[in-house]
Amino acid sequence: SQQGEEDPQALSIQEGENATMNCSYKTSINNLQWYRQNSGRGLVHLILIRSNEREKHSGRLRVTLDTSKKSSSLLITASRAADTASYFCATQRSNDYKLSFGAGTTVTVRA
Amino acid sequence: EPEVTQTPSHQVTQMGQEVILRCVPISNHLYFYWYRQILGQKVEFLVSFYNNEISEKSEIFDDQFSVERPDGSNFTLKIRSTKLEDSAMYFCASLGGVGVNTEAFFGQGTRLTVV
Repeated sequence: SQQGEEDPQALSIQEGENATMNCSYKTSINNLQWYRQNSGRGLVHLILIRSNEREKHSGRLRVTLDTSKKSSSLLITASRAADTASYFCATQRSNDYKLSFGAGTTVTVRA
Repeated sequence: EPEVTQTPSHQVTQMGQEVILRCVPISNHLYFYWYRQILGQKVEFLVSFYNNEISEKSEIFDDQFSVERPDGSNFTLKIRSTKLEDSAMYFCASLGGVGVNTEAFFGQGTRLTVV
C-alpha cells in the first residue's frame, strides 16, 4: 500500500512545548503533504514538500523528508491550544494525482 | 482564498435510499476527487475524475457509487442504495492542472448518516 502511517497515534503536550510526529510510506512519491483536521471538520492543507526537498518551514511548522528512509516528520514549535487537532500525512505518487492518507496523529495541547 | 464548497453539510437518510452529495470545486481546476472518512478512522480514497471521466477508483467505489460533472461546475457523488456502513464524512477535493506538485483543496465535507 502507498499509504503513509503516522506515529505516534496520539500525542498530549503542554502549551509552549514542541510536538513532533512522523510519517512513513512505502513506495516512491512525487511529494508528501501534511493536513490538519479539527474534530468533525474538513482537511486543511498545511505544507507540501517535494521529493527533491529535505526540509521546509512554514511559520511554526517544520517538515523534513528523508526519501531514503521513506519517512517524514512534522514539528510544531511553541504549540498552542488551537493546535489541538488530528494531523495527517498524505503522499502523492509520481504517476498520478491521487493522495493517499495515513491514519493520523491526534495532538492535544493542554493549556 | 479559493475554496471547495460542499452541500449539504449534514444529511440523514434511510437505509436503501439514494443520496447525492454535491461539490463545487475551484474553477479552473482539472482534477476532482471524493474521499470518505468513517468516524475516527483514516481518510480513504474513493474516486478521481479528470477530463469528464473516472481516472481511478478504489475497491470501496462499487456499483452503488457514481460520479458526475453535470454542468461544468458541480461535481456530484451519488450513492444509489445506501447502507448503514456508508455512514461517514465525505470530502470532495480538487487539484489544479499545472504540474503535479500542487496542493489539493478539500471541502468541509458532508456528514452522511444512514439510519
